[in-house]
Amino acid sequence: SYALTQPPSVSVAPGQTARISCGGKNIGLLNVHWYQKKPGQAPVLVVFDDDDRPSGIPDRFTGSNSGNTATLIINRVEAGDEADYYCQVWDRSDHPGVFGGGTKVTVV
Amino acid sequence: EVQLSESGGGLAQPGGSLRLSCAVSGINLDDYAMSWVRQAPGKGLEWVSVMKTDGGSTYYADSVKGRFTIFRDISKNTLHLEMNSLRAEDAALYYCARMRCGSGSYCMYFFDIWGQGTQVTLSS
Repeated sequence: SYALTQPPSVSVAPGQTARISCGGKNIGLLNVHWYQKKPGQAPVLVVFDDDDRPSGIPDRFTGSNSGNTATLIINRVEAGDEADYYCQVWDRSDHPGVFGGGTKVTVV
Repeated sequence: EVQLSESGGGLAQPGGSLRLSCAVSGINLDDYAMSWVRQAPGKGLEWVSVMKTDGGSTYYADSVKGRFTIFRDISKNTLHLEMNSLRAEDAALYYCARMRCGSGSYCMYFFDIWGQGTQVTLSS
């Protein structure tokens, strides 16, 4: 089955840019979606279709996808962005829903 | 406003069964594909199962295939997950989530609305 690989953790200073990678074979051929997950809260969709944002999500959140790597980019990081972030794709197999292992973003 | 409200979680024994429910309001359940996603303690998100709009197309993660069944009651606008032969590793917070198609030549779903989850605990 398809597999997605994320770094376990990323640290970033307030006001700087966080980049979270999501690796997968030919992931550039798929649409990649990203979720923010804070403790005790349901996941929130922050980016869909590689680089689109749902309404209400700040434009500080964006994404890119090419080759074997997709990236979530958080510009001008704020303390409230501290959370776990998950990438997700939907493939054509019989078990199509796939999440990456998650990346903990720490604002230091 | 679309709302998803899960229930039915609780304490079960290994080998036992539970039925989870997801009551949907604000939309018609048969207009959307719906999934169950879980998060075990200290672990990441794991997709569990999907039911597509036709109601007949269902898929499962390998970890639950043959033990879990997803189904819906259109008259009650409720999605269910029947869980049998429960194992210790099934202990998790279970979310239901509405799905939308991404752009492209085929539907590459994402989860745009989530419930708050229902907790499943396993103990003998």
